[in-house]
Amino acid sequence: DAMVIQNPRYQVTQFGKPVTLSCSQTLNHNVMYWYQQKSSQAPKLLFHYYDKDFNNEADTPDNFQSRRPNTSFCFLDIRSPGLGDAAMYLCATSRDFGGVEPQHFGDGTRLSIL
Amino acid sequence: QKEVEQDPGPLSVPEGAIVSLNCTYSNSAFQYFMWYRQYSRKGPELLMYTYSSGNKEDGRFTAQVDKSSKYISLFIRDSQPSDSATYLCAMKNNAGKSTFGDGTTLTVKP
Repeated sequence: DAMVIQNPRYQVTQFGKPVTLSCSQTLNHNVMYWYQQKSSQAPKLLFHYYDKDFNNEADTPDNFQSRRPNTSFCFLDIRSPGLGDAAMYLCATSRDFGGVEPQHFGDGTRLSIL
Repeated sequence: QKEVEQDPGPLSVPEGAIVSLNCTYSNSAFQYFMWYRQYSRKGPELLMYTYSSGNKEDGRFTAQVDKSSKYISLFIRDSQPSDSATYLCAMKNNAGKSTFGDGTTLTVKP
């Protein structure tokens, strides 16, 4: 029944070692989002795709990249993780970007940096 | 100052109590208002959404929006231990970007 699936659920990496998080969806939604959520804080939007169009938030560090090879899959690449990048990373989807369309979230990947 | 301020909590209530969760906002461009529930180690789950001032009811949950005061609330009647979670308010402008509050953690004690 899971509609937005994130893998892995927990990821441990070393300081500076590249890491990739993945997200897949069965909803056939046009929009896919990546959020960073730190403890007791609001989810912070990193970027989103509308179909193949990539939209980066102005304050998203260059260290964070994303790929969307097809409608169903989206990846978050962290090129050189620092200690400050330890967080929960949430993937979400929605049918459209504007209007009342709600977002559907996955259960997140919790990233730890050693 | 943040665009969305949420009562920080944590909030602890006995089972059966009425719970009130609140957010204020400063951006008049917000047109759509949502409440998400987030259990520990899970992603946010949409509970309610609305785009007009007034009340919207769904079972034990009522979402209230007052655009003139820039204030939204979520009421939970007959609260249950299974309602224990973090509740996030979120708001969206016509351009589509959502802005979230920091969340209020609720514990309902049996």
